Amino acid sequence: KQEVTQIPAALSVPEGENLVLNCSFTDSAIYNLQWFRQDPGKGLTSLLLIQSSQREQTSGRLNASLDKSSGRSTLYIAASQPGDSATYLCAVRTNAGKSTFGDGTTLTVKP
Amino acid sequence: NAGVTQTPKFQVLKTGQSMTLQCAQDMNHEYMSWYRQDPGMGLRLIHYSVGAGITDQGEVPNGYNVSRSTTEDFPLRLLSAAPSQTSVYFCASSYTSGAPSRGYTFGSGTRLTVV
Repeated sequence: KQEVTQIPAALSVPEGENLVLNCSFTDSAIYNLQWFRQDPGKGLTSLLLIQSSQREQTSGRLNASLDKSSGRSTLYIAASQPGDSATYLCAVRTNAGKSTFGDGTTLTVKP
Repeated sequence: NAGVTQTPKFQVLKTGQSMTLQCAQDMNHEYMSWYRQDPGMGLRLIHYSVGAGITDQGEVPNGYNVSRSTTEDFPLRLLSAAPSQTSVYFCASSYTSGAPSRGYTFGSGTRLTVV
């Protein structure tokens, strides 16, 4: 059974810092990995999707990497802003179509 | 706007009542799924469907029924509500194999309280 772990559970940084969020998974036979953002009381917004054949994806200040052999993905946020404050979740999807979600990292960016 | 629409946004039920949470998508996605999100337990898959007429159980299916008569709609039925079903429910959809992207699109959620 796939297990997905996100560490740390919470992170607080001053505005302007670069930061890395981690996602680990136990079964490397994945189809893709997707990073989401969730604001309090809201739904999940997709940030980046990495197919199993890819190593990284970039969108603006966000960069996600994937290392299947070690079972790890990282989400890099450059020049963090208070508006980046949210919970970030990763989801690992198998070839059968189902996904396993991590519990998320709650990020607070202080002005 | 294209996307996943969930109704209602909020609902309060009494124990034993039944209700249906609605989910509709207009992106012609084959795959649709229901999750519940609880503090400290993350997102857990309830039921999913890979196409019209095909449904399957996820991690926590007990107390819930689904059907998929059309590509667009995937309602979730609570048969006899229990306080343990108090949660936030999310519907998500995506393309299936062969498509350039299989990323999920999520609805905005239904916050359900069972008293």
